[in-house]
Amino acid sequence: AQSVTQLGSHVSVSEGALVLLRCNYSSSVPPYLFWYVQYPNQGLQLLLKYTSAATLVKGINGFEAEFKKSETSFHLTKPSAHMSDAAEYFCAVSDRGYQKVTFGTGTKLQVIP
Amino acid sequence: DAGVIQSPRHEVTEMGQEVTLRCKPISGHDYLFWYRQTMMRGLELLIYFNNNVPIDDSGMPEDRFSAKMPNASFSTLKIQPSEPRDSAVYFCASSLTTGGSSYNEQFFGPGTRLTVL
Repeated sequence: AQSVTQLGSHVSVSEGALVLLRCNYSSSVPPYLFWYVQYPNQGLQLLLKYTSAATLVKGINGFEAEFKKSETSFHLTKPSAHMSDAAEYFCAVSDRGYQKVTFGTGTKLQVIP
Repeated sequence: DAGVIQSPRHEVTEMGQEVTLRCKPISGHDYLFWYRQTMMRGLELLIYFNNNVPIDDSGMPEDRFSAKMPNASFSTLKIQPSEPRDSAVYFCASSLTTGGSSYNEQFFGPGTRLTVL
């Protein structure tokens, strides 16, 4: 069964600093990988997804993630943090051909002014 | 589009009572998902439907939980009887299969915060 592990339940960065949120996956078949963001008191919304095209995936709000098969990783980055980026971020995985998605435990990002 | 609509947004009930959560997916979407989010267990998939038919209910915690989708525009998640450990935020999400893709973006509703006293 597929799974994802998010390293760090809380991450703090200064405004303007690099954002790096880590995600490692486990899947017996080539996976689809996703990052979702959840703002307070809201549902999740898709930031970006990897579906086997380019390994570097660009998403909304300046975020991007790189699929590294050798490291089974799909880390999320943003060059310069903005106050509005403060939210909880979820990495997720699904097996190809299935709609079922398994979410990680989430990482809360705090942006310090 | 109004997005996925869930009601109520907040529900407070007493242990033993029946609770019904409601979801209206985005019009035209053919998949509907129910999730539960807690601090301890994170985001868990409870059940999902394709064209109103339940496909996988392996995440439903126990027989006290049931879900229905009588038509393409409405689904319910019922807990009977409710227990304090059911307290969580319950999300509904929908997606649309397009172009033969095996995965498409799930659109989440705002959630229902359930508190069982």
